[in-house]
Amino acid sequence: AQTVTQSQPEMSVQEAETVTLSCTYDTSESDYYLFWYKQPPSRQMILVIRQEAYKQQNATENRFSVNFQKAAKSFSLKISDSQLGDAAMYFCAYRSARTNAGKSTFGDGTTLTVKP
Amino acid sequence: GAVVSQHPSWVICKSGTSVKIECRSLDFQATTMFWYRQFPKQSLMLMATSNEGSKATYEQGVEKDKFLINHASLTLSTLTVTSAHPEDSSFYICSASKVLAGETDTQYFGPGTRLTVL
Repeated sequence: AQTVTQSQPEMSVQEAETVTLSCTYDTSESDYYLFWYKQPPSRQMILVIRQEAYKQQNATENRFSVNFQKAAKSFSLKISDSQLGDAAMYFCAYRSARTNAGKSTFGDGTTLTVKP
Repeated sequence: GAVVSQHPSWVICKSGTSVKIECRSLDFQATTMFWYRQFPKQSLMLMATSNEGSKATYEQGVEKDKFLINHASLTLSTLTVTSAHPEDSSFYICSASKVLAGETDTQYFGPGTRLTVL
């Protein structure tokens, strides 16, 4: 079974600074997808970024980028120019590509605090 | 777009009663929906996978007779908590998979339903 580990229960960053959230996963598959979701205090889960394992290029979405290291099974999220609105719980998720619309495995989450 | 709604957003019920939660994909069709339970400051715990037109697949340890799931159309799945008890109080979240040809299918989440059983 696949597992996802987020080793940082809590992180903090100064506004406008950069922060990196860690995520590692364990799988025997070669084709899969990785996601980062954000859950603000409203508790609405929001997709931040996704990465296909077959793509070597790291995904980016505006201030959010990932460092995908397939051999190391690592998938970290970098938030640049942090804003107060980035404060939330962030979840890393893994999903197999074997089937469409398969279930995801989530990490335990990292709570990010942004200091003004 | 990819919008998923849940109704109600908040419900209080008496112990022993049943509660139905609806999950709708508003601008896309979803053959697969997922139901999660989340305790404060914890991760999402998958309860079951709901497939349109067939029986739901429940995760180990989830009572299928207690948490009834129906996925009657491509845009609607319902979760019914039967004979609710205080220990069923939690935050329930649904998600729907948007699958487009040539694209990575992605789960989009509803806003969640807070259930309090007195």
